[in-house]
Amino acid sequence: GQNIDQPTEMTATEGAIVQINCTYQTSGFNGLFWYQQHAGEAPTFLSYNVLDGLEEKGRFSSFLSRSKGYSYLLLKELQMKDSASYLCAVRAGGGYQKVTFGTGTKLQVIP
Amino acid sequence: DAGVIQSPRHEVTEMGQEVTLRCKPISGHDYLFWYRQTMMRGLELLIYFNNNVPIDDSGMPEDRFSAKMPNASFSTLKIQPSEPRDSAVYFCASSGGPREQFFGPGTRLTVL
Repeated sequence: GQNIDQPTEMTATEGAIVQINCTYQTSGFNGLFWYQQHAGEAPTFLSYNVLDGLEEKGRFSSFLSRSKGYSYLLLKELQMKDSASYLCAVRAGGGYQKVTFGTGTKLQVIP
Repeated sequence: DAGVIQSPRHEVTEMGQEVTLRCKPISGHDYLFWYRQTMMRGLELLIYFNNNVPIDDSGMPEDRFSAKMPNASFSTLKIQPSEPRDSAVYFCASSGGPREQFFGPGTRLTVL
């Protein structure tokens, strides 16, 4: 199976930069996703990494190192609306579309 | 497109009753997923379908849970009989390829 670890909670200041880390142990790695989930709402897609390196999309960037089983999500110019849970998810083995989610990192942005 | 549609949005039932959750995926998507989310266990994949065929149901907790997809635009997740430990938010998601999944708003189930 897969083992996905990410911090439970983080706090950061509005306007700052925050990095949310995710480590995973899996076989048959096919890709890594980051989703954002506001309280009481459904997860929404942020990014998808298959190859090593950094993917940038506006204020959000995601990095992947397959050899290290490591990814991070970088949020720049933090806004209050970025307060949410951030879920790391790995697609691996067991079928092309099977995705396993981490338990999520709850980010609180403070003024 | 209206996105993934789930019903009901909230369900409160008593232990032992049958519960049926419904999902309409995004038109044209050929993958459909059922997830359960709790504070303790996070988001867990229960089962997923490809072209209406169940591909992996290893996440279904026990025989009390069953899922069907009779056609490309409709799926159900049934719990019979329900138990208090089934209380959770159940999400349906659909996908048209190997990239992102699109989640419905979820059904918040409370079993008393």
